[in-house]
Amino acid sequence: EIVLTQSPATLSLSPGERATLSCRASEPVSSYLAWYQQKPGQAPRLLIYDASNRATGIPARFSGSGSGTDFTLTISSLEPEDFAVYYCQQRSNLYTFGQGTKLEIK
Amino acid sequence: QITLKESGPTLVKPTQTLTLTCTFSGFSLSTSGVAVGWIRQPPGKALEWLALIYWNNDKRYSPSLRNRLTITKDTSKNQVVLTLINMDPADTATYYCGHSRSPLLWFGPWGQGTLVTVSS
Repeated sequence: EIVLTQSPATLSLSPGERATLSCRASEPVSSYLAWYQQKPGQAPRLLIYDASNRATGIPARFSGSGSGTDFTLTISSLEPEDFAVYYCQQRSNLYTFGQGTKLEIK
Repeated sequence: QITLKESGPTLVKPTQTLTLTCTFSGFSLSTSGVAVGWIRQPPGKALEWLALIYWNNDKRYSPSLRNRLTITKDTSKNQVVLTLINMDPADTATYYCGHSRSPLLWFGPWGQGTLVTVSS
């Protein structure tokens, strides 16, 4: 099973700041990695797929990069609605999710 | 517009079998490339992928739960059913179904989720 490790577990930032979230895979997953956003009481929403492609309707301030084992989700300038939990997911070998990064308001 | 909704019991006893139904609209599971998956999330914890069924009835299961899970589809009813046997309190979670489609095969959109509690 491919294990995804996300860091940091919690990220405290202020609106307008830049957020950088990391996801590391235990073995190479090529570009088969996605990022999801989950707000309290809601289902996850697909943000980024195939490492760097924004899903439909996702603002341009969200971007993804990486390949192989190391991936990054960047939010260029945080909006109040961006504070949530973010999960990475791989589909190179079945599916697994990371443990999540909570992005909280500082 | 694609929508999905999970339904089933909110409370099950240990050792019982859980049966959840995902009812969807806006797509057909008889269309080439389409798939529906199940994912769960224990309270306050991370997401865990469970199973996936493709338009051609091909199926994939989480290795850790493979011997307890069954996924089936009823194309005429636009439904996907997940069965999990021998329920344990550790299976308490919100269960989600999600739409997927080749070649991308990511999950989106998702249903609203249904909370299942395992307790005697």
